[in-house]
Amino acid sequence: GQSLEQPSEVTAVEGAIVQINCTYQTSGFYGLSWYQQHDGGAPTFLSYNGLDGLEETGRFSSFLSRSDSYGYLLLQELQMKDSASYFCAVRDRGGGFKTIFGAGTRLFVKA
Amino acid sequence: DAGVIQSPRHEVTEMGQEVTLRCKPISGHDYLFWYRQTMMRGLELLIYFNNNVPIDDSGMPEDRFSAKMPNASFSTLKIQPSEPRDSAVYFCASTPTSGRGGTGELFFGEGSRLTVL
Repeated sequence: GQSLEQPSEVTAVEGAIVQINCTYQTSGFYGLSWYQQHDGGAPTFLSYNGLDGLEETGRFSSFLSRSDSYGYLLLQELQMKDSASYFCAVRDRGGGFKTIFGAGTRLFVKA
Repeated sequence: DAGVIQSPRHEVTEMGQEVTLRCKPISGHDYLFWYRQTMMRGLELLIYFNNNVPIDDSGMPEDRFSAKMPNASFSTLKIQPSEPRDSAVYFCASTPTSGRGGTGELFFGEGSRLTVL
């Protein structure tokens, strides 16, 4: 089975950098993904790490270390609109595209 | 292109009634997922299909829940009879096998918010 752990809440100020960590236990998986969800909205895909290392997409970066069973999402130059929930997710190797989500981290960005 | 389309967006019903939620995946996507989201349990995978065939329904909470995918462009999730603890937002998502370099990116619908009184 799979289990993922993330902090429940993170607070940061506008313009700052914030890191949201994700640790996981899994019997095997293809990669680690991150999704963003605003209140009342649907989850939307942010990034994917299939290999160890850093992936950068604009203000967002994501990192994976399979040896440490650990990943993180880094958000730079925080904006008020980044206030949302962020979920890490793994795609189960045994189940093809079966995707399991962590409980989510609520990010509050303050002025 | 149209995204994943779900209906109804909101449903309020009374305990014991049958509820049917509907989903139209993105054309060409061969995987379809049903998730349930609550504050207590987060995003739970209920069932997923590949090429209209159910692959894993281990997340379906009990026999009151059933899902079908009669063709590539339509799926239903049915709850009969409904109970107050079924109140949640139900999301449908789809993905293509070879999408986005193999990331398995899920494309979510806007969800169906179900309230069972």
